[in-house]
Amino acid sequence: QAVVTQEPSLTVSPGGTVTLTCGSSTGAVTSGHYPYWLQQKPGQAPRTLIYETSNKHSWTPARFSGSLLGGKVALTLSGAQPEDEAEYYCLLSYSGAWVFGGGTKLTVL
Amino acid sequence: EAQLAESGGGLVKPGGSLRLSCAASGFTFSYAWMSWVRQAPGKGLEWVGRIKSKTDGGTTDYAAPVKGRFTISRDDSKNTLFLQMNSLKTEDTAVYYCTTDQVWGQGTLVTVSS
Repeated sequence: QAVVTQEPSLTVSPGGTVTLTCGSSTGAVTSGHYPYWLQQKPGQAPRTLIYETSNKHSWTPARFSGSLLGGKVALTLSGAQPEDEAEYYCLLSYSGAWVFGGGTKLTVL
Repeated sequence: EAQLAESGGGLVKPGGSLRLSCAASGFTFSYAWMSWVRQAPGKGLEWVGRIKSKTDGGTTDYAAPVKGRFTISRDDSKNTLFLQMNSLKTEDTAVYYCTTDQVWGQGTLVTVSS
């Protein structure tokens, strides 16, 4: 099974910009992996922020954006807010089977 | 507004069985591909499996750790998704979420312990 890798933890200052990345053990991440980014706060269910690389939901704050970057998929947060402190999971699809990354704990400090 | 609500979790002994349900509302359930995802205490997310819509064949796929023990099914007339879990192991202890991939339920806790 493929392994999806994320930074275990990152810290960003309030108002700052941070980029989370997600890579695949099988090679470059492409739009064919239908990349998703999920946000999960303590004690809450996950919620989908970004789907299919860069598409946002109506509930996704405009400060979040998704892209492909150097063979990985990236989630960029521009203008971090205290409420963005959370665990962020990348999800990639491999011929229909989902594989989650281990998550990135984002601290806004 | 699309919503999902899981139920059926609880405490079960190793080797036992449990059936989870997921009630859907606010969207056309019969068209949706539905998945189960679990999260062990303090751990990350793990895909359990998926069922396609009947119009797309209604087939199922499972993650290796649960294949042969878990079965996903759906009742489109009742807008409900099911997860039948047999031969449960302590490592199956987790919060189980149903999801369309866009919408997530609140989860239901399954504890496998003697």
